[in-house]
Amino acid sequence: NAGVTQTPKFQVLKTGQSMTLQCAQDMNHNSMYWYRQDPGMGLRLIYYSASEGTTDKGEVPNGYNVSRLNKREFSLRLESAAPSQTSVYFCASSPGTGFGELFFGEGSRLTVL
Amino acid sequence: GENVEQHPSTLSVQEGDSAVIKCTYSDSASNYFPWYKQELGKGPQLIIDIRSNVGEKKDQRIAVTLNKTAKHFSLHITETQPEDSAVYFCAASTGNAGNMLTFGGGTRLMVKP
Repeated sequence: NAGVTQTPKFQVLKTGQSMTLQCAQDMNHNSMYWYRQDPGMGLRLIYYSASEGTTDKGEVPNGYNVSRLNKREFSLRLESAAPSQTSVYFCASSPGTGFGELFFGEGSRLTVL
Repeated sequence: GENVEQHPSTLSVQEGDSAVIKCTYSDSASNYFPWYKQELGKGPQLIIDIRSNVGEKKDQRIAVTLNKTAKHFSLHITETQPEDSAVYFCAASTGNAGNMLTFGGGTRLMVKP
């Protein structure tokens, strides 16, 4: 079982460049999430999609956009990358929001120079 | 919004000893408290969770305790083994649909053989 798959695993960008992180899940989950992980700050929610066709801002949405392409796929776009967006990004999915386990991908390490 | 603080940030124990990680939360409405384990190069994985209608939950060598009055909860690992070495995150939410998890800053646990 693949679970949650993220691409790419590593990316280096220059300031001002754009890129899209892709995420797909094969567990038929309704809800999907994008988190960023920075040292000492835990995981902070960027955006989430409670169900297909809906997206909402999380704690740190500035500088990002998302698309819930279908039930399986949820992408994160950086339109004009900044050094402050250097981080490890995790996609996760769950059957629904509220109680219940989040299933995480293996992460995408992004460096913005 | 919810704020979760986690201590210590690093913890080193000898194999066979116990390890305790503590978290405090700010929102008295929170009633779902999961713990995630993140191994090097992987995404976080749920290891145990507790809901506010219970004070303690055990699963083999791990246990979680909750004190709703004091708004803190703890993870206890007994008879630690080298494979317990990882980063551990606590989290909290109200558990309502649409309410997201707020994570603590993480604890790096090192178990020395």
